[in-house]
Amino acid sequence: DIVMTQSQKFMSTSVGDRVSVTCKASQNVGTNVAWYQQKPGQSPKALIYSASYRYSGVPDRFTGSGSGTDFTLTISNVQSEDLAEYFCQQYNSYPLTFGAGTKLELK
Amino acid sequence: QVQLKESGPGLVAPSQSLSITCTISGFSLTSYGVHWVRQPPGKGLEWLVVIWSDGSTTYNSALKSRLSISKDNSKSQVFLKMNSLQTDDTAMYYCARHGSTMITTGAWFAYWGQGTLVTVSA
Repeated sequence: DIVMTQSQKFMSTSVGDRVSVTCKASQNVGTNVAWYQQKPGQSPKALIYSASYRYSGVPDRFTGSGSGTDFTLTISNVQSEDLAEYFCQQYNSYPLTFGAGTKLELK
Repeated sequence: QVQLKESGPGLVAPSQSLSITCTISGFSLTSYGVHWVRQPPGKGLEWLVVIWSDGSTTYNSALKSRLSISKDNSKSQVFLKMNSLQTDDTAMYYCARHGSTMITTGAWFAYWGQGTLVTVSA
């Protein structure tokens, strides 16, 4: 199985900052990576697919990048509503696997 | 619009089985696959299984012996059954739609249900 490692369980930020959440795959997954945002009590919401394509309706302050094994979700000009947990997911092969999540918190 | 909604028993006794239904609208089960994903409280996401538009299935091998998935296209429902539940099966269970009509691409999830919480306890 492909392991998706989000090494930072928590990240502290301030409103207006730029923050990067990283995800590393245990083997080459090409650009078959998606990113999700999840707030307490809610289902995950898709942000990015194919590593860098923004899903419909997602603000352009969310940017995805990377290929192969290293992926980054960057949030520019962080807003208070962006304080949530972020998960990466690979869909290059089955079983589909997710990172353990990174919680974005206020400093 | 696309919607998915899970319904389940809430509480299951250890060693018993679980049956959950996902009722969909806004798309056809004959065109899209539907996946199940679970999330234990405070933890990450685990992909379980998918049933494809043609009725074929792909399972997470770690759970395959305990899982069964089926569907009723005419009722727009997908059914998940899991046997021999233990306390670590306590989780929110989500159904989610495959990203494209093609099996080989797009296994990311733009559409999720609200989830149904299953607690395994005596």
